[in-house]
Amino acid sequence: DTEVTQTPKHLVMGMTNKKSLKCEQHMGHRAMYWYKQKAKKPPELMFVYSYEKLSINESVPSRFSPECPNSSLLNLHLHALQPEDSALYLCASSQDESPATNKETQYFGPGTRLLVL
Amino acid sequence: AQSVTQPDIHITVSEGASLELRCNYSYGATPYLFWYVQSPGQGLQLLLKYFSGDTLVQGIKGFEAEFKRSQSSFNLRKPSVHWSDAAEYFCAVGHFRDNYGQNFVFGPGTRLSVLP
Repeated sequence: DTEVTQTPKHLVMGMTNKKSLKCEQHMGHRAMYWYKQKAKKPPELMFVYSYEKLSINESVPSRFSPECPNSSLLNLHLHALQPEDSALYLCASSQDESPATNKETQYFGPGTRLLVL
Repeated sequence: AQSVTQPDIHITVSEGASLELRCNYSYGATPYLFWYVQSPGQGLQLLLKYFSGDTLVQGIKGFEAEFKRSQSSFNLRKPSVHWSDAAEYFCAVGHFRDNYGQNFVFGPGTRLSVLP
């Protein structure tokens, strides 16, 4: 099973709202990722968690706050977003083998389509 | 610096015709290469990957890709395209960042349209 699930599928929020995106995998993967994807563009990496610790933050604004409560779950908390944050948010996971290499295969979820009004 | 280029932004082929999508990479170490497909509004699905060994790799849905180190290329091919293959295709190279872990460098994508 190589499934990554994401909820909700669609989300509409105002600029003053607080919402959360959720991602779950049960493949025993120890690395999890958040990406942002605008239309007709490749995914842009936002955050990487390795063994439940934040390992990469690609200078993402603080209105995006990631959280990894356990090895299977990854959340992205949203607050005071801007209309330009509207995008498809993708979660991915990978094995995160040791020693670390650059040949991790990432498995992606279906994404959450976010619209900020 | 590492980079991935996909020279074709948009390709249109007729159903049943053969397909080749181009991918070129620039990477200082051993490249680990991936092809993903994305249908509209969906996530990315792994088609195939190359780590080492045989330079011709087989993937799902009848796709294959050939790694050519001398040309820094990893082109994706399919002998006979089906209408359901219409999607966006992304080539990626795995990139390891010391002390931070691995991430992907994605190409800009190639959109495939299929004519009936």
